[in-house]
Amino acid sequence: DADVTQTPRNRITKTGKRIMLECSQTKGHDRMYWYRQDPGLGLRLIYYSFDVKDINKGEISDGYSVSRQAQAKFSLSLESAIPNQTALYFCATSDPGTSGRGTYNEQFFGPGTRLTVL
Amino acid sequence: GQQLNQSPQSMFIQEGEDVSMNCTSSSIFNTWLWYKQDPGEGPVLLIALYKAGELTSNGRLTAQFGITRKDSFLNISASIPSDVGIYFCAGRPSGAGSYQLTFGKGTKLSVIP
Repeated sequence: DADVTQTPRNRITKTGKRIMLECSQTKGHDRMYWYRQDPGLGLRLIYYSFDVKDINKGEISDGYSVSRQAQAKFSLSLESAIPNQTALYFCATSDPGTSGRGTYNEQFFGPGTRLTVL
Repeated sequence: GQQLNQSPQSMFIQEGEDVSMNCTSSSIFNTWLWYKQDPGEGPVLLIALYKAGELTSNGRLTAQFGITRKDSFLNISASIPSDVGIYFCAGRPSGAGSYQLTFGKGTKLSVIP
């Protein structure tokens, strides 16, 4: 099945540690995104990438970096984790599309990674 | 940035009842999307709307793109226990890039058997 997968699903780490969250997709979509979800705050965009050579900062990129290793892979790194980065992290993909209907707005999410920074 | 006001924040309903929730904004949106998130999972796209006044169904779910382009509604008919979850609206503001979605904070739905 075409899908968006994330690893690990759960991670507990300590302050100051480097953490990498990985995302893979078999949808063949060019666009990939990383979001963070906090209770009461909804989903917020961290980084997005339109193709392998294109990386852009989102609303809350400070403290994070990303790598687009291939069309199908997009990784999020926390260089030095801090407790307020404890959250649910979601990867998403979208297809630019060719119709005027705007289906490129439709984003498809992975199952998420629950990260706890102690 | 843009904000979406989603209401109600939570609701408890009896199995078999119909459900309505909505999302409003102070500015115009070009796209409205409705997602459902189950505990421990990512949001799943339910319905996408692209035109003011558009009414689209997906099984027992029906969503509408408001005529003013500042709101959208989601209705669930004859609710069942598996409808439990958090429903999010998302939209692309007019003039925003195609990657930019603004998300509501969700409506948590509980269904009493």
